[in-house]
Amino acid sequence: GAVVSQHPSWVICKSGTSVKIECRSLDFQATTMFWYRQFPKQSLMLMATSNEGSKATYEQGVEKDKFLINHASLTLSTLTVTSAHPEDSSFYICSARGSGGLTYEQYFGPGTRLTVT
Amino acid sequence: GENVEQHPSTLSVQEGDSAVIKCTYSDSASNYFPWYKQELGKRPQLIIDIRSNVGEKKDQRIAVTLNKTAKHFSLHITETQPEDSAVYFCAASLGAGSYQLTFGKGTKLSVIP
Repeated sequence: GAVVSQHPSWVICKSGTSVKIECRSLDFQATTMFWYRQFPKQSLMLMATSNEGSKATYEQGVEKDKFLINHASLTLSTLTVTSAHPEDSSFYICSARGSGGLTYEQYFGPGTRLTVT
Repeated sequence: GENVEQHPSTLSVQEGDSAVIKCTYSDSASNYFPWYKQELGKRPQLIIDIRSNVGEKKDQRIAVTLNKTAKHFSLHITETQPEDSAVYFCAASLGAGSYQLTFGKGTKLSVIP
């Protein structure tokens, strides 16, 4: 149980274009999904918290107009990197927290490696 | 906000020996402390977690201890095996009632056969 998928697993795009990444909880309903960014050999940096049916909460320093997050259902959240630039190249990972008031566990997707040329 | 320090950054042990990774946190209201294992290019996997109302938790070769007074928690791996080699991250919830996690910088564990 607690399987999270992410699509695509890797993507290469040209500078100035937009890329959408999907995060799905396959066997549970995710009240909250989180989006992280991870640079090589570094830790996970929280970008934003996404609750179903409401606007995402972005961490300080993360541009909400550049990283658009939509959490349209209890099993799907999307991250769109708009007008991508080479410095946006990174490993993006989502995680999902199950429904239930005392559920703290976060389960991670496999990540999406974005390369902007 | 929460600050999580993790040590050591790298750790090499002989197969069969024990490995200990330590983390400290700053927010006394934090109440959930998970540990994740991440192999190269793969997703972080939850291996064990502990709530603030518990001092120790064990799952086969893995154990976590929590000292709320000192605000530190540790991961203990006994009888290490080569497949334990990975990067391990500790994390702490962002204060009471928050489901956000703040991660430590990670420990690269190498188990030498």
